[in-house]
Amino acid sequence: LAKTTQPISMDSYEGQEVNITCSHNNIATNDYITWYQQFPSQGPRFIIQGYKTKVTNEVASLFIPADRKSSTLSLPRVSLSDTAVYYCLVGPGTYKYIFGTGTRLKVLA
Amino acid sequence: DAGITQSPRHKVTETGTPVTLRCHQTENHRYMYWYRQDPGHGLRLIHYSYGVKDTDKGEVSDGYSVSRSKTEDFLLTLESATSSQTSVYFCATVDVESSYEQYFGPGTRLTVT
Repeated sequence: LAKTTQPISMDSYEGQEVNITCSHNNIATNDYITWYQQFPSQGPRFIIQGYKTKVTNEVASLFIPADRKSSTLSLPRVSLSDTAVYYCLVGPGTYKYIFGTGTRLKVLA
Repeated sequence: DAGITQSPRHKVTETGTPVTLRCHQTENHRYMYWYRQDPGHGLRLIHYSYGVKDTDKGEVSDGYSVSRSKTEDFLLTLESATSSQTSVYFCATVDVESSYEQYFGPGTRLTVT
């Protein structure tokens, strides 16, 4: 069961790139790294998932170094609507998915 | 959203009464989860299930029980509700056949007075 550590909060301005790093020192060989976004009063929703190197989709990029002990979620040109809590999750492991504290991102005008 | 519904969506109950929350999925996912989320806090795992009649405890299982008699339904029961169990409860499933992504339901807001 890999525990994750993220910054509690971050502020950014509209149009900037935001990078959120997650530490997962005990990641197992069969674990993937998945990032979720959560808005108030809603369940988390999937943003991106990766195993190693770099993954990019239409909303974000995920950078994973060779040792896989950390990962960085990159959000290009954030807008006010990106204000949310972002969670990093490692698994499947034993499928006992435990979330960390998440990072509360606030985008300022 | 993997066809996950939760019922009820809102409930107010009194201390000491039993409460059952229902999670229903239509995707035939093997794994199902119950989390609670308190204001300003992250998600905490209560119980999870890895198949019909197969369940295990999470981080905060005291005061909660679960049952899964069929693949599509996962029930969370508060045997005797307390004010500390006032929270938003989220159900989730995992599709182990593809990406290990978790799909979350819309949540149930429970208030224990």
